[in-house]
Amino acid sequence: EDQVTQSPEALRLQEGESSSLNCSYTVSGLRGLFWYRQDPGKGPEFLFTLYSAGEEKEKERLKATLTKKESFLHITAPKPEDSATYLCAVQAAGGYQKVTFGIGTKLQVIP
Amino acid sequence: IAGITQAPTSQILAAGRRMTLRCTQDMRHNAMYWYRQDLGLGLRLIHYSNTAGTTGKGEVPDGYSVSRANTDDFPLTLASAVPSQTSVYFCAPGGNFGNGTRLTVT
Repeated sequence: EDQVTQSPEALRLQEGESSSLNCSYTVSGLRGLFWYRQDPGKGPEFLFTLYSAGEEKEKERLKATLTKKESFLHITAPKPEDSATYLCAVQAAGGYQKVTFGIGTKLQVIP
Repeated sequence: IAGITQAPTSQILAAGRRMTLRCTQDMRHNAMYWYRQDLGLGLRLIHYSNTAGTTGKGEVPDGYSVSRANTDDFPLTLASAVPSQTSVYFCAPGGNFGNGTRLTVT
């Protein structure tokens, strides 16, 4: 069974204090790993898709990396507007298009 | 989210009643998904459709049904609502999420 574990569950950072969020996964053949951002009362907003170990993607202050067992979302010099819940999800190769989500990391950036 | 309309945005429903949650997209994605999101459990797939005319069961399909008559619409129906179906429901055409329907079953 595919599993996604995100850590920490919650993270509080001072503005400008860089950190990383972790997503550990087990999947029977990875088709893709996804990162989403979710604000309260809203649907998840797509950030990145990673397909293979060693791949990296960046968007503004966010950088996502992928190994065979985990992914990291690095946040550099965060701002209060980066406060949100960050979700990780994996899609297995083959079969139907099942995407397994983690519970998320709730990030709070304090001015 | 531009291109995805979910309705209603929220609803309080008596147990035993029938309810259809609507989802319409204008992005022409072939694949559409329905998820529910519950505190501590994350997002779980209810049903999906790879293309118009086809549907499939996800992780938690019991008590729910879907149809896909055309590319744009993917309604989710609760035939006889139960309190355990209290949740936030998200439609996700092509993996892009709408803003959800918050459903409370009393």
